[in-house]
Amino acid sequence: EDKVVQSPLSLVVHEGDTVTLNCSYEVTNFRSLLWYKQEKKAPTFLFMLTSSGIEKKSGRLSSILDKKELSSILNITATQTGDSAIYLCAVKKGYTGTASKLTFGTGTRLQVTL
Amino acid sequence: EAGVTQFPSHSVIEKGQTVTLRCDPISGHDNLYWYRRVMGKEIKFLLHFVKESKQDESGMPNNRFLAERTGGTYSTLKVQPAELEDSGVYFCASSQGLGRGINNEQFFGPGTRLTVL
Repeated sequence: EDKVVQSPLSLVVHEGDTVTLNCSYEVTNFRSLLWYKQEKKAPTFLFMLTSSGIEKKSGRLSSILDKKELSSILNITATQTGDSAIYLCAVKKGYTGTASKLTFGTGTRLQVTL
Repeated sequence: EAGVTQFPSHSVIEKGQTVTLRCDPISGHDNLYWYRRVMGKEIKFLLHFVKESKQDESGMPNNRFLAERTGGTYSTLKVQPAELEDSGVYFCASSQGLGRGINNEQFFGPGTRLTVL
């Protein structure tokens, strides 16, 4: 059965700290890995990673995929209270009849305090 | 551009009753997905529409759940009769692209919180 595991489950840091969130996966026919941020309601898209070793950046957030280790990390530098959220990792499988569904991890709950 | 919308935001019903959840995807998105998060667990896939056709319904828990997308626009998810274990947050997502929409990101709605008492 396909599996996505995120760690840590929960994290509390001070504003200004740098955090690294982890995601590992075991899926057949891997296609891409996605990161989402969920604050109150709808998960919002952050990154989609398909190729190993290529870092994607958006402001203070960055992410990279390691297909050899079947894992990805999400880095947030100089954290702010607005970064407090649940960060979700999801995996999309390859070109088959059931290609598009996402398999999610349980998420990492990040709390940034003053 | 309006995002994915869902109605209602919260529904509380008694066991045995029927509930219908609605999702309006982003205009022009052919792909529509339903997911569910039961408390304490990860978000799990329920089914995927391409336009009005069910592409993949492998995640539907049982035949008490019926999803429709007549006309290929909005979708409804009916639970009849509801059971206690159906409680959770039901998310809808949509993405562009014909067919399988392989590389297109999925945009999520705010979810409907369903509580079955």
